[in-house]
Amino acid sequence: EAGVTQFPSHSVIEKGQTVTLRCDPISGHDNLYWYRRVMGKEIKFLLHFVKESKQDESGMPNNRFLAERTGGTYSTLKVQPAELEDSGVYFCASSQAVASETQYFGPGTRLLVL
Amino acid sequence: AQSVTQLDSQVPVFEEAPVELRCNYSSSVSVYLFWYVQYPNQGLQLLLKYLSGSTLVKGINGFEAEFNKSQTSFHLRKPSVHISDTAEYFCALETGNQFYFGTGTSLTVIP
Repeated sequence: EAGVTQFPSHSVIEKGQTVTLRCDPISGHDNLYWYRRVMGKEIKFLLHFVKESKQDESGMPNNRFLAERTGGTYSTLKVQPAELEDSGVYFCASSQAVASETQYFGPGTRLLVL
Repeated sequence: AQSVTQLDSQVPVFEEAPVELRCNYSSSVSVYLFWYVQYPNQGLQLLLKYLSGSTLVKGINGFEAEFNKSQTSFHLRKPSVHISDTAEYFCALETGNQFYFGTGTSLTVIP
């Protein structure tokens, strides 16, 4: 069974540019989560999809971040325009159920904004 | 508000020695507790989780953790570490369908 995959693995962009991160969850997992880890700090929740619907987007930093999950399969996270403080590792995770269910994480996308 | 504290950012330990990685949490409601491990260039993998029942939880790779409600702790232990245990370890709690992570502990096993 394939795990959670994320693309790209690394991205280096300049301030003001746009970047789109992609996450493919484990097949059959309705729940998809995005997290971000700024260097040296904790992994922070960004948002949660149930199928194609945003269940909770309370962790999204601001309106420069846009997440979509068309058709309830893969998800994209777009940052436009990117700022220096957006640098970090963006993780995606998926799970079958919600409460108490193990979340399976992807390897992350390392984003550096110069 | 919920939070997780991992006081030790880096823990060096000699091979075959025991190790304890500390985790304390704060929550006003019931929580589920997890330990994840991240090996270089890989995603986070679940080591173990506490949902209810026995406070001593055994996980993969010989790790175990003990839930202590009075001390609000969930420390991770292994009696004898291997070189392959070198990785970053994250403690997390889940409540209200949200995960809250600590800042991580980097475990380095020295030959």
